[in-house]
Amino acid sequence: AQSVTQPDIHITVSEGASLELRCNYSYGATPYLFWYVQSPGQGLQLLLKYFSGDTLVQGIKGFEAEFKRSQSSFNLRKPSVHWSDAAEYFCAVGRSGGSYIPTFGRGTSLIVHP
Amino acid sequence: DTGVSQDPRHKITKRGQNVTFRCDPISEHNRLYWYRQTLGQGPEFLTYFQNEAQLEKSRLLSDRFSAERPKGSFSTLEIQRTEQGDSAMYLCASSMGAGGIYGYTFGSGTRLTVV
Repeated sequence: AQSVTQPDIHITVSEGASLELRCNYSYGATPYLFWYVQSPGQGLQLLLKYFSGDTLVQGIKGFEAEFKRSQSSFNLRKPSVHWSDAAEYFCAVGRSGGSYIPTFGRGTSLIVHP
Repeated sequence: DTGVSQDPRHKITKRGQNVTFRCDPISEHNRLYWYRQTLGQGPEFLTYFQNEAQLEKSRLLSDRFSAERPKGSFSTLEIQRTEQGDSAMYLCASSMGAGGIYGYTFGSGTRLTVV
């Protein structure tokens, strides 16, 4: 079975600073990988996804993520954070075959200081 | 297209009561998923439908939980004899094709509080 680890429960950055949120997965085959963002009291919104091809994936809102097979990682990055980026970020890994139901990490809460 | 709609947004119920939530997916999406999210955790899969067929259920879905999607459009999730441990955010998501490949569109969720 696949699993996802987001090692940082909280991350605090200053507005304008760069951001990297970590995600490590455990899965035997090539995974389907996702990052979602959740604002308070809201559902999750898909930021980006990867399942093949270029290992650097561009998403919405200026986010990107890089798939590194050797490190089993799919870290999310943004060069300059805006106050509106404050939210909960979830990494998810989907298993191949069958129903492809993804497993979500526990999330990283991003706090942005002005 | 108004996205995925969930109703109600909030529900407070007494322990032992039954509750029902509704989800209206994006009309073109053939797959509909239910997830549960507790505080400080990521969403946990409960069940999913492809059209009107319920194809997979998680072990989290005890026999007090039942879900339907009668005409392959909206879906309902019913919890019978609610317990305090059922307090959570219940999220609905839809996708065209497998959500684990193409990604989900989530609704805003129904927050259930059992007192």
